[in-house]
Amino acid sequence: TQLLEQSPQFLSIQEGENLTVYCNSSSVFSSLQWYRQEPGEGPVLLVTVVTGGEVKKLKRLTFQFGDARKDSSLHITAAQPGDTGLYLCAATRGGSQGNLIFGKGTKLSVKP
Amino acid sequence: GAVVSQHPSWVICKSGTSVKIECRSLDFQATTMFWYRQFPKQSLMLMATSNEGSKATYEQGVEKDKFLINHASLTLSTLTVTSAHPEDSSFYICSALGRTRLRTEAFFGQGTRLTVV
Repeated sequence: TQLLEQSPQFLSIQEGENLTVYCNSSSVFSSLQWYRQEPGEGPVLLVTVVTGGEVKKLKRLTFQFGDARKDSSLHITAAQPGDTGLYLCAATRGGSQGNLIFGKGTKLSVKP
Repeated sequence: GAVVSQHPSWVICKSGTSVKIECRSLDFQATTMFWYRQFPKQSLMLMATSNEGSKATYEQGVEKDKFLINHASLTLSTLTVTSAHPEDSSFYICSALGRTRLRTEAFFGQGTRLTVV
């Protein structure tokens, strides 16, 4: 069974702080996605990482895919209240695009 | 970007009744759509894969006779929760597989909050 373990589950920080959330698995994935979900809405894709060791930046967000393609991290620099949300990692299951398994998510709260 | 719309956004129904949720790809055609369920404080769990013109593929533990899926056109898939019970109350989210300039990607709807009373 492919599982994605995310940590921490909850994170409450002050505006301006940095943070890192992790997504780990014992399985190797061809790609991994990070989503952000607001309450009562569907998830929105932030990034897809494909190559082992890959680093992608999206403004203050930095995503890294592990060399072995089993884990990934999301680092946010100088967090803003607008970054508040549920961050989910997901991976394609069984090679079927769109058929995704999701981690349980990290609920981030950034206080002004 | 590609847009996927779900309707309704929320619905309250009485126990024993049926509820239909629509998932539409607004600006692209999707031969494959997916239905997920998300319980409070939990992650999204895939219920079924909906293929245009053929029967849906259900995940283990999901009752196909209770959760009826119809994908009759390239832009519309529907999920009907039959004989709903309070334990079916959940957040139902669909996604549609579409192609961007760079890759094939799953685009998610905004979700439907179902409450069965």
